[in-house]
Amino acid sequence: DAKTTQPPSMDCAEGRAANLPCNHSTISGNEYVYWYRQIHSQGPQYIIHGLKNNETNEMASLIITEDRKSSTLILPHATLRDTAVYYCIVRVQNTGNQFYFGTGTSLTVIP
Amino acid sequence: DAGVIQSPRHEVTEMGQEVTLRCKLISGHNSLFWYRQTMMRGLELLIYFNNNVPIDDSGMPEDRFSAKMPNASFSTLKIQPSEPRDSAVYFCASRPHGEGEAFFGQGTRLTVV
Repeated sequence: DAKTTQPPSMDCAEGRAANLPCNHSTISGNEYVYWYRQIHSQGPQYIIHGLKNNETNEMASLIITEDRKSSTLILPHATLRDTAVYYCIVRVQNTGNQFYFGTGTSLTVIP
Repeated sequence: DAGVIQSPRHEVTEMGQEVTLRCKLISGHNSLFWYRQTMMRGLELLIYFNNNVPIDDSGMPEDRFSAKMPNASFSTLKIQPSEPRDSAVYFCASRPHGEGEAFFGQGTRLTVV
């Protein structure tokens, strides 16, 4: 049970910001939001995670709404190499809970 | 560190044969996950180990599948006998103790003919 809903596909122009939404309306108070991506034929790659504050790292920014029922992953300047399937996952930190992947969003960056 | 290492990268076998997939964890990691990915079902969690002990194997499809961790840095996933419907990409991932993201290997593409 992935507990998240994402659009199946999106396009983004190269150099523009890519904004990938995720709904997680049943998220619990101790569940974190994780984002992974999978480039064709490779293993999933960690991007970022957060609990309730917005987070930023060298790859992306994560914006979580105040009610925590949805979030947005932002790739500030998309490149062709960002074309991948992006997965939004909710899980409890520091427990044995494993990562359950949903269907993700297939992002295509267009030249 | 070279990351999570899986072998072989590709495996083609005949129906009924035994298949063994291998995974070397990142040094210091103590959690190990095996996933299977197909077009129809996406990424499915098969089994999860913590400190070499299987914690949750509810995703293992049937008795033909078995997984072991003979030591803290190595795991195997065995299918015996293999069937065409087992054709998929199998990923393993490891995670450090306590918290942190899971790191995935490059996967083994299995084709059973």
